[in-house]
Amino acid sequence: NAGVTQTPKFQVLKTGQSMTLQCAQDMNHNSMYWYRQDPGMGLRLIYYSASEGTTDKGEVPNGYNVSRLNKREFSLRLESAAPSQTSVYFCASRKTGESYEQYFGPGTRLTVT
Amino acid sequence: AQSVTQPDIHITVSEGASLELRCNYSYGATPYLFWYVQSPGQGLQLLLKYFSGDTLVQGIKGFEAEFKRSQSSFNLRKPSVHWSDAAEYFCAVGAPDTGFQKLVFGTGTRLLVSP
Repeated sequence: NAGVTQTPKFQVLKTGQSMTLQCAQDMNHNSMYWYRQDPGMGLRLIYYSASEGTTDKGEVPNGYNVSRLNKREFSLRLESAAPSQTSVYFCASRKTGESYEQYFGPGTRLTVT
Repeated sequence: AQSVTQPDIHITVSEGASLELRCNYSYGATPYLFWYVQSPGQGLQLLLKYFSGDTLVQGIKGFEAEFKRSQSSFNLRKPSVHWSDAAEYFCAVGAPDTGFQKLVFGTGTRLLVSP
């Protein structure tokens, strides 16, 4: 049981390049989330997916798109990366109903030059 | 809108001393409350949570937190800090009116442990 996995762990992009961050969970959770973490700002929600087939915007969605590929996988895409998107990105998942805590992946450190 | 305040950006505690990290939230009803810990270069790990019932909750690694409705606070405590507790700690709030779909995080408190 790997929990929440994210790839890649590190990435450097040039301004204007695109990339997709991958996230997968093997806990059969319904909800999945993408956050970004910046110094002094805590975690801010980018997008989330309450269930397979649905996605919703969070606090800071501009410049990002997401795809809930199936129940296990939730990807985050940067179409045209900007230096302001330099951050650490975390994926999380949550089981609906019994408990409400979110389980986090190890993160992807992205630098945009 | 709900918000979470962690007033201390950094705290330094001597090893073996007690610890209290502060968290205040702004929300009309009683939300669900969480404390997470993040070690350097790692993801977030849940320390403890409060939903209802006993206002003093126990978590992993010897941590506890007390919910005080009158103060809108959920402070994290540990009686004796170990060097391995050095990390960043985040308080988070989940709101019933979102179906607890979303968590709002505080900005974090970085704990430094001195020998």
